Amino acid sequence: GESVGLHLPTLSVQEGDNSIINCAYSNSASDYFIWYKQESGKGPQFIIDIRSNMDKRQGQRVTVLLNKTVKHLSLQIAATQPGDSAVYFCAVLDPRFQKLVFGTGTRLLVSP
Amino acid sequence: EAQVTQNPRYLITVTGKKLTVTCSQNMNHEYMSWYRQDPGLGLRQIYYSMNVEVTDKGDVPEGYKVSRKEKRNFPLILESPSPNQTSLYFCASSLDRSGAGTDTQYFGPGTRLTVL
Repeated sequence: GESVGLHLPTLSVQEGDNSIINCAYSNSASDYFIWYKQESGKGPQFIIDIRSNMDKRQGQRVTVLLNKTVKHLSLQIAATQPGDSAVYFCAVLDPRFQKLVFGTGTRLLVSP
Repeated sequence: EAQVTQNPRYLITVTGKKLTVTCSQNMNHEYMSWYRQDPGLGLRQIYYSMNVEVTDKGDVPEGYKVSRKEKRNFPLILESPSPNQTSLYFCASSLDRSGAGTDTQYFGPGTRLTVL
């Protein structure tokens, strides 16, 4: 099956910096990927998704990059704000079982 | 407002005392799911339901039951809770009818359960 890992449990940035959060997956056949944001005391919230026929997708201040060669995806947040402080995790669709497999998350801390 | 609600938000109970965590969504979604979230582990699916009266096991179903008698409600039942079920629980729903989970999932606010 699929397994998902994140590279850093915590990332600290200054307000206004760009943030990059990484995720690695194991199954080269995986074709759908999602990034979630989870604020303290709340449920996960969908941020952006990408399918394997793309290598980049942009939203509002966020960009997801997919590198299928090394089975890696990243979430970039431009001009990080204090309101971006949260845990971010990726989810990958296991192609065999058609279920989402979730990573453990990176806590983003934004200081003013 | 489109939302998924869970009750209670916090619960402390003792081993063996049956409990139910309710989940309700107002988006007319077909697919509903329960997850647990534990430190150092990603969200793990407990049970899911693709439609009324259709439920199936997720990755960690042991010790849990669910029912889907109405489209909007998907309660999670712990018949005899044990300390290893202490966790943060999330209910989610999506429009996805195939159960593949590729449609956006909307999560509830979570229920923090402690079993002593």
